Amino acid sequence: SQKIEQNSEALNIQEGKTATLTCNYTNYSPAYLQWYRQDPGRGPVFLLLIRENEKEKRKERLKVTFDTTLKQSLFHITASQPADSATYLCALGAGYSTLTFGKGTMLLVSP
Amino acid sequence: GAVVSQHPSWVICKSGTSVKIECRSLDFQATTMFWYRQFPKQSLMLMATSNEGSKATYEQGVEKDKFLINHASLTLSTLTVTSAHPEDSSFYICSAWLGTANTGELFFGEGSRLTVL
Repeated sequence: SQKIEQNSEALNIQEGKTATLTCNYTNYSPAYLQWYRQDPGRGPVFLLLIRENEKEKRKERLKVTFDTTLKQSLFHITASQPADSATYLCALGAGYSTLTFGKGTMLLVSP
Repeated sequence: GAVVSQHPSWVICKSGTSVKIECRSLDFQATTMFWYRQFPKQSLMLMATSNEGSKATYEQGVEKDKFLINHASLTLSTLTVTSAHPEDSSFYICSAWLGTANTGELFFGEGSRLTVL
């Protein structure tokens, strides 16, 4: 069955460092992968989409890589700030109705 | 960006009662909306796809008679949890897709925290 794995343990880093979050998947051939941010008690907010034929995408301090051979996506936040503290979800899809979410990884950025 | 509004943000009810949650797309028309449920520290689980003017499509294991979905207009979908029980307590989130089938993003509501006593 399809499986999406994100680190269940929180990632603690210091302000200014680069945070790297991992999303691995099995038994899936997604057409694209998305990353969302979710704050406690709130709905997720879309951050980035990367397609299967793209290796890297950037948006301001965010960078996403997508390796369909390794079946892995890495999500980087450079120059991290305490305001970046949240849970980050990866989602795989082949169309909007087939979007499947991982459990998310909590990021904690300390000043 | 597009805005999806969800109401109420939290609700407490007695076991056996029904609760209605509204999901509105405020600045765009959404022919398709999605309802998710999220338990603590768990991923978003798709419950059903709500289609304007037609019946909702439910995911396997989701009781359609318990979770009634109505998508009466292009900007409003409602989820009614009928005869709620404590095990229905969860965070319910709606979303609407903006874009084409293979490119776009989901805009989520703020979520509704349901607690059934």
